[in-house]
Amino acid sequence: QVQMVESGGDVVQPGRSLRLSCAASGFTFRSYGMHWVRQAPGKGLEWVAVIWSDGSKKYYADSVKGRFTISRDNSKNTLYLQMNSLRAEDTAVYHCAKAPTTPYYMDVWGKGTTVTVSS
Amino acid sequence: QSALTQPASVSGSPGQSITISCTGTSSDVGGYNYVSWYQQHPGKAPKFMIYDVSNRPSGVSNRFSGSKSGNTASLTISGLQAEDEADYYCNSYTSSSTWVFGGGTKLTVL
Repeated sequence: QVQMVESGGDVVQPGRSLRLSCAASGFTFRSYGMHWVRQAPGKGLEWVAVIWSDGSKKYYADSVKGRFTISRDNSKNTLYLQMNSLRAEDTAVYHCAKAPTTPYYMDVWGKGTTVTVSS
Repeated sequence: QSALTQPASVSGSPGQSITISCTGTSSDVGGYNYVSWYQQHPGKAPKFMIYDVSNRPSGVSNRFSGSKSGNTASLTISGLQAEDEADYYCNSYTSSSTWVFGGGTKLTVL
């Protein structure tokens, strides 16, 4: 079945970097756009970034633009989120989510990986 | 990129119907039909419930329906069941080629 498993979450100090991974299976990864969505403790969902199926287009939320980079390796069925200059407000569970045939929705979600930014 | 506005909480008794509103602007909800809704139970990943304002993905109960008028989208759940108790989030594509969620609504089934 369609599945995404995130990894790479950790406790890091402010200003440091971290790379999250999302391993996809059960579908033709290279054919679908992918999103990252985060959820701070006790808070709502916040869209972070999207990447087109071929990696040709990438868009970011203003809150992470210039600090985070979304990428993918279609040969490894893996999505990435490189997070630099981390701040306390980046503390959240980070979910990767598959888009359906159009990139406008998130039809299957991973369970998430936890990032804590604290000194 | 201000979050879409949803009521913090709604409640209803089993068998009743409830509606959750989601208000944005002409740059998001009002400008596109790319509105979707997600259900999230505590400690779980969100589940895709509605897309293109009013379409249900395969496997989603027909008790869930969506609509839109101007800058406000709505999710209606009819025949409330205990299992519907969860948080619900709306989402819209925006004119900045970004996506924005609502703040979330906690549904309590009394």
